[in-house]
Amino acid sequence: ILNVEQSPQSLHVQEGDSTNFTCSFPSSNFYALHWYRWETAKSPEALFVMTLNGDEKKKGRISATLNTKEGYSYLYIKGSQPEDSATYLCASSVQAGTALIFGKGTTLSVSS
Amino acid sequence: GAGVSQSPRYKVTKRGQDVALRCDPISGHVSLYWYRQALGQGPEFLTYFNYEAQQDKSGLPNDRFSAERPEGSISTLTIQRTEQRDSAMYRCASSPRVNTGELFFGEGSRLTVL
Repeated sequence: ILNVEQSPQSLHVQEGDSTNFTCSFPSSNFYALHWYRWETAKSPEALFVMTLNGDEKKKGRISATLNTKEGYSYLYIKGSQPEDSATYLCASSVQAGTALIFGKGTTLSVSS
Repeated sequence: GAGVSQSPRYKVTKRGQDVALRCDPISGHVSLYWYRQALGQGPEFLTYFNYEAQQDKSGLPNDRFSAERPEGSISTLTIQRTEQRDSAMYRCASSPRVNTGELFFGEGSRLTVL
């Protein structure tokens, strides 16, 4: 099973701060990279699905970039708000037909 | 319903008993995944299906765990002779497309083995 790593494990920022975190995955035979947002006591919800090197996606104040050659993706949150507090999960798959494997997540806490 | 439905939501069982967890995916979704999730941790892969075919079961911890999706829709994860270490949240997710489709997660089945 491929190894998907996320860093940092957790971070705490003040309201209005911008922040970013990293997802690392094996670059060989890359197929797809997903980002999910998971609030406590709820189910994870999809943010982005990216497949192409250099892909950039944006949803409101959240954006993501993808570098498949070096095996990493960044998730950016601009002007963090308390409601952004959640665990952000990334998942990757290699080759068509293989399983989507999750990292352990980055837990973001935003205080007002 | 419109979402992924899992049952039971909570299951408490005694060590040594068998349990069956059910997942009813969103209608028409091709892929179905089973994950296990410890408190505060990301989902740990168990197995997944495309249609009725089990594509990968490498994440199943041991041969007490099995899963099926006989008609390409509802899936059952079965744990035989449960042990306390099996206690966890078991999440099912379905996707409209293989690999690139986003996953839609169910609310999970919380298993507690006494």
